[in-house]
Amino acid sequence: EPEVTQTPSHQVTQMGQEVILRCVPISNHLYFYWYRQILGQKVEFLVSFYNNEISEKSEIFDDQFSVERPDGSNFTLKIRSTKLEDSAMYFCASSDLAGGQPQHFGDGTRLSIL
Amino acid sequence: RKEVEQDPGPFNVPEGATVAFNCTYSNSASQSFFWYRQDCRKEPKLLMSVYSSGNEDGRFTAQLNRASQYISLLIRDSKLSDSATYLCVVTNAGNNRKLIWGLGTSLAVNP
Repeated sequence: EPEVTQTPSHQVTQMGQEVILRCVPISNHLYFYWYRQILGQKVEFLVSFYNNEISEKSEIFDDQFSVERPDGSNFTLKIRSTKLEDSAMYFCASSDLAGGQPQHFGDGTRLSIL
Repeated sequence: RKEVEQDPGPFNVPEGATVAFNCTYSNSASQSFFWYRQDCRKEPKLLMSVYSSGNEDGRFTAQLNRASQYISLLIRDSKLSDSATYLCVVTNAGNNRKLIWGLGTSLAVNP
């Protein structure tokens, strides 16, 4: 069964550094998403992406965040200047042209900011 | 009021027990409803969608009450492998792609 893959599985970074989290969505999917989950808290929507542009973003997704689809397969989340509170699991998801559901999730990247 | 609220749990039940999870949502215009399952430090996985008429998938039954803005999940004959956190998830009208998540209810099924 096709799946969403994320790399790295764990990223440790010094505060203030830039990080790029990578995702390879399912190949025929056209909608892409990033969610995050701070330890012990609920999953939170960050951003959705379709047709090479952001379709929606949350309040969390401020100017330090950006997303990109640099080629036909990768979907990346960049955090420009990381803060301690960016430490979380980051999940990528994708869904097909029918839109919305179901969203298929990658197994996440654990980001630890020191 | 939180957008999606769930029983905090944790629920500890013996194997074979029936367990019910409840969830309420604040936006009366919410459009789609789901139960996800999340194992510790893993990604959420869709367990089942919830339809207005209620729906069943094996040992799992989901119910939706739009008037009360209430969703439930019933697990019958619980197995050790059912131990996980169960997440109630909704989408709002006109935006079927942004998932709005509850905090989840932790279930431990004991031998």
